[in-house]
Amino acid sequence: QVQLQESGPGLVKPSETLSLTCTVSGGSVSSGHSFWSWIRQPPGKGLEWIGYVYYSGSTNYNPSLKSRVTISVDTSKNQFSLKLTSVTAADTAVFYCARLSYSRGFDYWGQGTLVTVSS
Amino acid sequence: SYVLTQPPSVSVAPGQTATITCGGNNLASTSVHWYQQKPGQAPVLVVYDDVDRPSGIPERFSGSNFGSTATLTISRVEAGDEADYYCQVWDSSTDHFVFGTGTKVTVL
Repeated sequence: QVQLQESGPGLVKPSETLSLTCTVSGGSVSSGHSFWSWIRQPPGKGLEWIGYVYYSGSTNYNPSLKSRVTISVDTSKNQFSLKLTSVTAADTAVFYCARLSYSRGFDYWGQGTLVTVSS
Repeated sequence: SYVLTQPPSVSVAPGQTATITCGGNNLASTSVHWYQQKPGQAPVLVVYDDVDRPSGIPERFSGSNFGSTATLTISRVEAGDEADYYCQVWDSSTDHFVFGTGTKVTVL
């Protein structure tokens, strides 16, 4: 059973960079056909796909966030990470990491972590 | 970008059937996945590839996808089915992933 766990600061100041890490257990980030993704959900609102990284390092980002997002993978640690630059209060959300399969959707999710952007 | 439209809310009595729709342009040409999200919890995949269920998901959850509308049907609704439900697709024209607007299911 694949398990994912997000970690990182719960409070980020405006204009700074949000950084989160997702640790994968029970499976390998190097497995084929798995795309390691970040999804966010502002309080009281719906889900928004941020982007994914493949074990090779190739990435795919939501165009609405592409200029501010970097997702990377560390196969040696079985982790992948999210960086979102120049954050504002509008970036306050619960951030989820998830495994994506093109044929099965997002089949494994982390529990989510709330990141608040505030001074 | 691709837009998926869901009704904001659906109400259903216990034991009855809940029907949640997801509308999008030529939706039947792609696979639709459905997620259940209970308050304070991460979403859970309940139907993938239009009609398939992951292991552990009750048979009461079923899906269909015809024309421009995909449907998630919950039969014999229980109090524990009260949650937000989201549809999701892969937009092949952009290689991006889109979620629907979400539907809150209330069990009366």
